[in-house]
Amino acid sequence: DVKVTQSSRYLVKRTGEKVFLECVQDMDHENMFWYRQDPGLGLRLIYFSYDVKMKEKGDIPEGYSVSREKKERFSLILESASTNQTSMYLCASIVGQGIAFFGQGTRLTVV
Amino acid sequence: AQKITQTQPGMFVQEKEAVTLDCTYDTSDPSYGLFWYKQPSSGEMIFLIYQGSYDQQNATEGRYSLNFQKARKSANLVISASQLGDSAMYFCAMSPMDTGRRALTFGSGTRLQVQP
Repeated sequence: DVKVTQSSRYLVKRTGEKVFLECVQDMDHENMFWYRQDPGLGLRLIYFSYDVKMKEKGDIPEGYSVSREKKERFSLILESASTNQTSMYLCASIVGQGIAFFGQGTRLTVV
Repeated sequence: AQKITQTQPGMFVQEKEAVTLDCTYDTSDPSYGLFWYKQPSSGEMIFLIYQGSYDQQNATEGRYSLNFQKARKSANLVISASQLGDSAMYFCAMSPMDTGRRALTFGSGTRLQVQP
């Protein structure tokens, strides 16, 4: 079974802190994604990566950066957390036709 | 750029009846895939069904079928014989197929409630 693991289920951070959300997949997938999910807005793509060290901005990249130093790991970085970044963050990787496997999600609260 | 539109924020259906969840899309990619995912209250994302843009026949997976109308750019999900366990959020998504840069774009979702 494909496994996508996010480092934290719940996270509380203070405004201005640098925050790292980690995601690891165990199936050698090329493409990995970070989304945020907010009620009524669905899943919005923040960044995606199609290979090691390769990344592209999604629809809402402002305030975020990413790192992919190894194929299995894709990190989302909030350089200076703000309260409007309070959200559910979902990591995914895709296989074949594009079927996505998701992590369990990280609910981030910025206070 | 890709865009997915789901115009039904919420839907109700009686148990054992069929329900259609609407999805329209927009893309300039000649080859693409369309997907539906289910998210129960537990929060996990579950893949339901896939349709390729060049597939001649509509996809089916058990009680799920995808009504693909390419000219109308629609990819509606049909759930037959609804069950209480079908109550969940449903997301339509799409991805280009002819590139290694496979951005997967989702719609805003439809919350389905199945009533006994």
